[in-house]
Amino acid sequence: NAGVTQTPKFRILKIGQSMTLQCTQDMNHNYMYWYRQDPGMGLKLIYYSVGAGITDKGEVPNGYNVSRSTTEDFPLRLELAAPSQTSVYFCATRTGPNQPQHFGDGTRLSIL
Amino acid sequence: DAKTTQPNSMESNEEEPVHLPCNHSTISGTDYIHWYRQLPSQGPEYVIHGLTSNVNNRMASLAIAEDRKSSTLILHRATLRDAAVYYCILLNQAGTALIFGKGTTLSVSS
Repeated sequence: NAGVTQTPKFRILKIGQSMTLQCTQDMNHNYMYWYRQDPGMGLKLIYYSVGAGITDKGEVPNGYNVSRSTTEDFPLRLELAAPSQTSVYFCATRTGPNQPQHFGDGTRLSIL
Repeated sequence: DAKTTQPNSMESNEEEPVHLPCNHSTISGTDYIHWYRQLPSQGPEYVIHGLTSNVNNRMASLAIAEDRKSSTLILHRATLRDAAVYYCILLNQAGTALIFGKGTTLSVSS
């Protein structure tokens, strides 16, 4: 039982490049989330999904896109990487309302 | 959006109890109070959560004020492994934790 798996763990991008951060879970959780954490700060919600085919914006969605075609996968897409998107990205899941969130180990992304 | 306020840092000695406070004066009736902690270079780890009543689990206790405008995470006997950043957050029905905050950095000395 792997829980929440994020890949890659580290990545360096050039300005203007695009990439997809992968998040996969094997717990059959309906709710999935993407957060970013800047140095010394708390987490900010980028996008979330309450089930396959349903996504919605969080606090800081600009510059990102998501899709949720299956229960297991919730990829986060950066289309035109900018230095302001340098951060640590965390994916999280939960079974339903008011239940604890389970976090992955994060993807550390640097954009130069 | 509901916000939480926590002290920036706290210190404790090993084997002593630790009380981590959190103020959430704008909490709504359906918001659950969740606590997470984060070790360096790791994702946040769930600690405990509650709605109105005090809660206990193997990791900690959560004391919630009667008016729900504040809560306290209690670590009964701090260990060096408890040194982390502790976040108090409010989760609505959809679980959209819009405001995570900077949390409280807990230092534990031997």
